[in-house]
Amino acid sequence: NAGVMQNPRHLVRRRGQEARLRCSPMKGHSHVYWYRQLPEEGLKFMVYLQKENIIDESGMPKERFSAEFPKEGPSILRIQQVVRGDSAAYFCASSPSRTYEQYFGPGTRLTVT
Amino acid sequence: GEDVEQSLFLSVREGDSSVINCTYTDSSSTYLYWYKQEPGAGLQLLTYIFSNMDMKQDQRLTVLLNKKDKHLSLRIADTQTGDSAIYFCAANYGGATNKLIFGTGTLLAVQP
Repeated sequence: NAGVMQNPRHLVRRRGQEARLRCSPMKGHSHVYWYRQLPEEGLKFMVYLQKENIIDESGMPKERFSAEFPKEGPSILRIQQVVRGDSAAYFCASSPSRTYEQYFGPGTRLTVT
Repeated sequence: GEDVEQSLFLSVREGDSSVINCTYTDSSSTYLYWYKQEPGAGLQLLTYIFSNMDMKQDQRLTVLLNKKDKHLSLRIADTQTGDSAIYFCAANYGGATNKLIFGTGTLLAVQP
């Protein structure tokens, strides 16, 4: 059973470009979570999604950030018009239901130049 | 409020026991987790405990929970150099969301 997959693992974008981060949950998992880890800090919750639904987006910045988890395909975290402060590691986690175990992917390290 | 705190750094000698500490603030029913992060890698779930338990043991790992003081600890017996990593404590307070609240992480350095 493959773990949580994220791609790309490293992404470099210039200021003003768009970043698209993909997350494929573990097989059988229908709940996806995105977290952001700024340099030298712990992880901060961004958004919690089920298939085709956003359950909690209380940690998402109000502008430029959006997330989706379509019926088919991976979950996407989209950052429009990136700025240097968006440089961070973005981790996706999944769980099979609203249980309490979340399994993390390897992360996408976004660098904005 | 929701908050999780950890000390930043711990240095031990190989073969000794390591104890990493964490405090949390919310008193509602809570799951508490320990994750390990190696350099450049994702988070590996090590173990977790529900807030109505006092202790959980899994091979070299022992989790102790003091509910009165809202204090959680992770003890690693016979620490090895491969245990060198950042250890994160996290809390899940349940409710409508399933989000994890993470501490800032404790860097464990194991000296040979």
